[in-house]
Amino acid sequence: DTAVSQTPKYLVTQMGNDKSIKCEQNLGHDTMYWYKQDSKKFLKIMFSYNNKELIINETVPNRFSPKSPDKAHLNLHINSLELGDSAVYFCASSQGGGGGDGYTFGSGTRLTVV
Amino acid sequence: KQEVTQIPAALSVPEGENLVLNCSFTDSAIYNLQWFRQDPGKGLTSLLLIQSSQREQTSGRLNASLDKSSGRSTLYIAASQPGDSATYLCAVLAAGNKLTFGGGTRVLVKP
Repeated sequence: DTAVSQTPKYLVTQMGNDKSIKCEQNLGHDTMYWYKQDSKKFLKIMFSYNNKELIINETVPNRFSPKSPDKAHLNLHINSLELGDSAVYFCASSQGGGGGDGYTFGSGTRLTVV
Repeated sequence: KQEVTQIPAALSVPEGENLVLNCSFTDSAIYNLQWFRQDPGKGLTSLLLIQSSQREQTSGRLNASLDKSSGRSTLYIAASQPGDSATYLCAVLAAGNKLTFGGGTRVLVKP
């Protein structure tokens, strides 16, 4: 199946821990994104990578560090987790900026910090 | 700064009724507009993508219109079914390759 895959689907961890979320797409897209959906269900962009290069960083705390080993993968590493980091994180991909076929989203990772 | 608003925030209709979901955006300089569906605890499924040069797109019982000059899009779902119950999100793609989402419309179709 062609898709955007995220792991894990659920992540429960204590404050102060470091965790990573992985994302892979097999759509052949050259641009990948991380979005955060807060408790009020608003989706906001965090990062965008095009061919492994950072394009967008929406004033996300530097505790969040995306890593793109190749254009099919964009992982999100979070240091020193805080309660406010609890949210659903979505990975997405597009060809170019998304002006052609739009965006394809993963199924999300629900992060709960306790 | 682009802002996207969806009205109503929630909608409850009996099965068989047509659904009309509205989306408005403040900056008409968009590349495209995309409608998504999100089921509880699930990811986003793309429903329709309308390019800025298009006026509408149709897929089965779904029809989405776009009036770029007035900053509006409407998603019509004909003959609603209980399986249509979900949250519907619209998102616009604009300069800087940023996809900006509305807050969503939560739809409940009652059998």
